[in-house]
Amino acid sequence: DIVMTQSPDSLAVSLGERATINCKSSQSVLYSSNNKNSLVWYQQKPGQPPKVLIYWASTRESGVPDRFSGSGSGTDFTLTISSLQAEDVAVYYCQQYYNIPLTFGGGTKVEIK
Amino acid sequence: EVQLVESGGGLVQPGGSLRLSCAASGFTFSSYYMHWVRQAPGKGPVWVSRINSDGTSTTYADSVKGRFTISRDNAKNTVYLQMNSLRAEDTAVYYCAWFGGGNPYWGQGTLVTVSS
Repeated sequence: DIVMTQSPDSLAVSLGERATINCKSSQSVLYSSNNKNSLVWYQQKPGQPPKVLIYWASTRESGVPDRFSGSGSGTDFTLTISSLQAEDVAVYYCQQYYNIPLTFGGGTKVEIK
Repeated sequence: EVQLVESGGGLVQPGGSLRLSCAASGFTFSSYYMHWVRQAPGKGPVWVSRINSDGTSTTYADSVKGRFTISRDNAKNTVYLQMNSLRAEDTAVYYCAWFGGGNPYWGQGTLVTVSS
C-alpha cells in the first residue's frame, strides 16, 4: 500500500498570510503514460463531504479560488493557500489514486491565528 | 452535471446487515470503475471497495473483506454495497466516488451507525 504522510497535523495562520501543507507518498504516484501525478487535495468542513480542490497534483477544480494551488511531483507534494481567508478554516487531506487501495493522508487542520 | 446520491444508511445492531445504494448521473456510468469510501466520526476517509465497469472484478479493503460485497447495475446507473456481519467499527459515513478522467466526484454520503 502507498502510505501518504501529511505535515503538519495542524496549522494556525493569520488572515491574509500563506498556509503551506505538505504530503509525501511512500512511492511515486507519477503515471508514466500521461506524465501526471495521481494526487488530489480535498478540503473538508464539519458535516460536509470532502470537497475537491486540486487534482492531478496541480489542476485546480472549477470554481475553486485561485489562492489555492498545488505543486510537486513523484513523492513530494504541497498545497498552498496564498492568502488565508476565514472561510478556509477546515481540514485538508491529500489522497493518491495511482493504485488500489486508494490511500489518504492523515489530514491537516487549518485554523486562524 | 455529475451527481452521486447515496441512500440506505441507518441504525443497525452488531451482526446485522445493510445495503447501500449510489445512483449516478451525468456521465457514462457503464464505462467507469466506481468506489466506496467511508469516514468514521472524527477520522479521515478510508477506501473500502472498488468495482470495474462491467462488474466482473471487485477489490476490498482487508477490514471488510468477506463481509462486504460491492455490485452494480449498469441499466440503473447504480452501485451497491452489501454490508453483512456489521461491527461497531463499521460506523461511518459511506460515500460513493468516481475518479473519472482524473478529477474525483463524491456523493454527499449516507450514515451507517452500528450499535445495540
